[in-house]
Amino acid sequence: GAGVSQSPRYKVAKRGQDVALRCDPISGHVSLFWYQQALGQGPEFLTYFQNEAQLDKSGLPSDRFFAERPEGSVSTLKIQRTQQEDSAVYLCASSLEVGGAYEQYFGPGTRLTVT
Amino acid sequence: DQQVKQNSPSLSVQEGRISILNCDYTNSMFDYFLWYKKYPAEGPTFLISISSIKDKNEDGRFTVFLNKSAKHLSLHIVPSQPGDSAVYFCAAATGSSNTGKLIFGQGTTLQVKP
Repeated sequence: GAGVSQSPRYKVAKRGQDVALRCDPISGHVSLFWYQQALGQGPEFLTYFQNEAQLDKSGLPSDRFFAERPEGSVSTLKIQRTQQEDSAVYLCASSLEVGGAYEQYFGPGTRLTVT
Repeated sequence: DQQVKQNSPSLSVQEGRISILNCDYTNSMFDYFLWYKKYPAEGPTFLISISSIKDKNEDGRFTVFLNKSAKHLSLHIVPSQPGDSAVYFCAAATGSSNTGKLIFGQGTTLQVKP
């Protein structure tokens, strides 16, 4: 598979639990993005990595959200003490280019449901 | 503060006719615009883009028009096919940004009837 993959595809968490969502970008893609998509809405930017450096985390809704990409490839989005309002689809995207506004390739997303 | 707006939640057209999806934006710093198509349970897939130095870009059945003075863009699909039925998102970015993050509209669900 040459595309962006995400796991798990579905995650149900009880309120207060911690979750970790994984993203495998396209090999060689320098840029990696996380977006959050609530039901009936468009994706909203969470954070951006250029290789292993997190250059923009302005979209993270609270300090319960943490993302990392330690070796510049796979990325993990961690949500601590999940709340019901965290229920959404979390999308990962990668891009070959650095910055700019180049085409981003999206994974299928992880649907998180917090009960 | 919705910087990118798609005011029509849904659109239904007959197969073979033209589909026109609209998008408005408020931030004059946006200089690059993209359209994505999304099927259920899949991530958005890139369709077509346009830079603010152009007012039209065409790729097969898909054409995007940009009206900078009105801060408006539209996607034309001609002829529409049943396989085009999906949610369409417009997105905008500042091309000079060092992150390239995209700002998305809420989406328009297109249904093409056979």
